[in-house]
Amino acid sequence: NSKVIQTPRYLVKGQGQKAKMRCIPEKGHPVVFWYQQNKNNEFKFLINFQNQEVLQQIDMTEKRFSAECPSNSPCSLEIQSSEAGDSALYLCASSLYWGYAEQFFGPGTRLTVL
Amino acid sequence: GEKVEQHESTLSVREGDSAVINCTYTDTASSYFPWYKQEAGKSLHFVIDIRSNVDRKQSQRLIVLLDKKAKRFSLHITATQPEDSAIYFCAASKYNQGKLIFGQGTKLSIKP
Repeated sequence: NSKVIQTPRYLVKGQGQKAKMRCIPEKGHPVVFWYQQNKNNEFKFLINFQNQEVLQQIDMTEKRFSAECPSNSPCSLEIQSSEAGDSALYLCASSLYWGYAEQFFGPGTRLTVL
Repeated sequence: GEKVEQHESTLSVREGDSAVINCTYTDTASSYFPWYKQEAGKSLHFVIDIRSNVDRKQSQRLIVLLDKKAKRFSLHITATQPEDSAIYFCAASKYNQGKLIFGQGTKLSIKP
């Protein structure tokens, strides 16, 4: 069973508000991914890290989304100015190494933007 | 960009029968193909994966087949049980890009 911890489980924000969620990867996993799963079960990759370094991110992430994985602290994903279209389940996953590696998913943070 | 298509949005099989879920991908550089299961209200749980250096992999009741020529892979669940009921997602990635590209999901229902 995955031991990726995500908090909070539910987050409700008004449009324009900041939304911040956190992730503690499995112990010993240096690679962390963030995905967005919408109500139609469509997944969108947002960003990933190896240790504290960003490896890949999509354009959307560069503009309104910010993320970090500081040493000895939880990783975080923050939406600077929430929009209705950001309502989704945000999933954090971690893996042992880059490439062919099973990604272990956390329970997700369900964001609702009113 | 890379796309993964999951052909069956819903699938219903009788308990004890086999279930087959099919996926296709577009990027010939894709080389890693995992499958995940998501039960209602829960997160993704890894089921099985296959790498492009083999065309078949089995783990107990689960079999994954990969046809690189057709850019197609499939999950076979044999001797289905009620607890197999869930949404199954296929995914693909390239070795030098760890991010997963997911299919749209197949809701599998096991009828008694």
